[in-house]
Amino acid sequence: GAGVSQTPSNKVTEKGKYVELRCDPISGHTALYWYRQSLGQGPEFLIYFQGTGAADDSGLPNDRFFAVRPEGSVSTLKIQRTERGDSAVYLCASSLTGADTQYFGPGTRLTVL
Amino acid sequence: GESVGLHLPTLSVQEGDNSIINCAYSNSASDYFIWYKQESGKGPQFIIDIRSNMDKRQGQRVTVLLNKTVKHLSLQIAATQPGDSAVYFCAENNAGNNRKLIWGLGTSLAVNP
Repeated sequence: GAGVSQTPSNKVTEKGKYVELRCDPISGHTALYWYRQSLGQGPEFLIYFQGTGAADDSGLPNDRFFAVRPEGSVSTLKIQRTERGDSAVYLCASSLTGADTQYFGPGTRLTVL
Repeated sequence: GESVGLHLPTLSVQEGDNSIINCAYSNSASDYFIWYKQESGKGPQFIIDIRSNMDKRQGQRVTVLLNKTVKHLSLQIAATQPGDSAVYFCAENNAGNNRKLIWGLGTSLAVNP
């Protein structure tokens, strides 16, 4: 594809449920990033992958959040026991290498009721 | 028109005027800075970047100025168009081995026809 894609575009869930958010990076990009953005705020870093491994997961807020990138391409952000405070837009970005411009997807809007 | 992003988060300009959006960054060790444009409901879109060994860089209708002495970044948009209406974020690279971006608060640009 031409750009980063994310699915679903919108996800509504109930408190306590488990959700998975998917990111398809630009083909050939080795670096992948997850961010979280609350209304009116700039994106907040969550995790950075270089290839299949998480090079920096220091932004994950707690152990309910986990992300994988098993084949070095598609990534899934997993949130267990969702809380209302998890409601936000989850953005994915990719870059050719870890030193290049990050290109963002459209985001997944997560609403926890 | 001109704004200081942290104190005046909304900038309103007339179509055809030049716009200046300002940003104060936090880390004197940051060596890479980026401006992103974010339209409502979309992910951030890369506009222009600059490295710390430069103080000015020009693109198509946009210019970024970097003043490392006072840790200040600005984005100048020439002949502002209605399509430029969006929230503009500056981001800095967290100096070190990782590539996570640290984002400013954003400035909303409204272009009046």
